[in-house]
Amino acid sequence: ETGVTQTPRHLVMGMTNKKSLKCEQHLGHNAMYWYKQSAKKPLELMFVYSLEERVENNSVPSRFSPECPNSSHLFLHLHTLQPEDSALYLCASSQDLIVGNQPQHFGDGTRLSIL
Amino acid sequence: DQQVKQNSPSLSVQEGRISILNCDYTNSMFDYFLWYKKYPAEGPTFLISISSIKDKNEDGRFTVFLNKSAKHLSLHIVPSQPGDSAVYFCAASEGGSNYKLTFGKGTLLTVNP
Repeated sequence: ETGVTQTPRHLVMGMTNKKSLKCEQHLGHNAMYWYKQSAKKPLELMFVYSLEERVENNSVPSRFSPECPNSSHLFLHLHTLQPEDSALYLCASSQDLIVGNQPQHFGDGTRLSIL
Repeated sequence: DQQVKQNSPSLSVQEGRISILNCDYTNSMFDYFLWYKKYPAEGPTFLISISSIKDKNEDGRFTVFLNKSAKHLSLHIVPSQPGDSAVYFCAASEGGSNYKLTFGKGTLLTVNP
């Protein structure tokens, strides 16, 4: 139990569907992150929020839309995805944005498959 | 252009022996390094870290060594246990206010009983 919960764990959707991934952290952290892990590739940072403000949008296509309504919840809204978007999507949180003795805590991810 | 490289996709060792996982980096601005462990169907979990002002950090069976001149770090696990079987990711950051972690592709460690 990492304190970061992601739902759903698995999602299969068509290219025209709209769905959302949810992340909730119970650690009292102020920063939250979305990562994408494709097969045989390193984790790629997608979005970063600090105190509910987006501080990073790492050249992610607009078909991915993040939302952070409060410091405990993070969503990733998906719309008109492509087959190459099939991947493991990981949410993480950390106390603050400063890297140091504040490692990021990851959820177990959502395995997304686009048909 | 990968800034953090884990050149061994997999490693197999016998229980009780030492496991050595390697990581190389190219960005001389990296200031802080972390190792994460990932079991199947779970997210990565933080294992151990090291700041660039040190060359060694130890936590129980896990020791990370940093060679800044060679831009190389390694994770030693002694003694290795079957429960250590997982994918190990090396990650690096420029530190300070730069929160971005750059990850390697990971090394799958298998510890055989």
